[in-house]
Amino acid sequence: DTGVSQDPRHKITKRGQNVTFRCDPISEHNRLYWYRQTLGQGPEFLTYFQNEAQLEKSRLLSDRFSAERPKGSFSTLEIQRTEQGDSAMYLCASSLAGEGSTKGQYFGPGTRLTVL
Amino acid sequence: AQKVTQAQTEISVVEKEDVTLDCVYETRDTTYYLFWYKQPPSGELVFLIRRNSFDEQNEISGRYSWNFQKSTSSFNFTITASQVVDSAVYFCALSDADRGSTLGRLYFGRGTQLTVWP
Repeated sequence: DTGVSQDPRHKITKRGQNVTFRCDPISEHNRLYWYRQTLGQGPEFLTYFQNEAQLEKSRLLSDRFSAERPKGSFSTLEIQRTEQGDSAMYLCASSLAGEGSTKGQYFGPGTRLTVL
Repeated sequence: AQKVTQAQTEISVVEKEDVTLDCVYETRDTTYYLFWYKQPPSGELVFLIRRNSFDEQNEISGRYSWNFQKSTSSFNFTITASQVVDSAVYFCALSDADRGSTLGRLYFGRGTQLTVWP
């Protein structure tokens, strides 16, 4: 049973460029979450999907951010016109919704974004 | 609104000491879930435990134990006989019941950096 994977692990970009991150959840998990973590802080929720449907978006998710999960499997998070304030670790997590789910959200290793 | 407070920013102990990490939460929901995660220097968040609001029974897993008290809205985590490998940032988190399922978004505290010295 492989865990949550994220690609790339590190991304350095210049301000104004677009970036896209990918997350592959645990295969049987139908929920997928995106969080952002800055230094010294706990992760902050961005958005989540159940299957293909995006169920909730945080107000942290400005218009420059968009997330998709087209086939209910992997997900992508795109940031357009990056700003230095976007520098953070972007974390993906997955879980199994519904009865019988007794565990937590399982996190990937994260993508560390640095905007110069 | 949901909120998690971890008042201890940093804790340092010497190996074999017991240490308790505090977590206080706020929620108006009657059904909710509490979690602890460990984030070692490698950065990946590791799930440790989930506790449901309707189950106040304390839990022990090896050297780890958790004390859930609804009366004080606390969910504290104790490591007995700490080891150097326990050094990490520990996060407490809260989730409400969402759309009839068991887990919604997680609300995290700011974390407690635990350093265990040899």
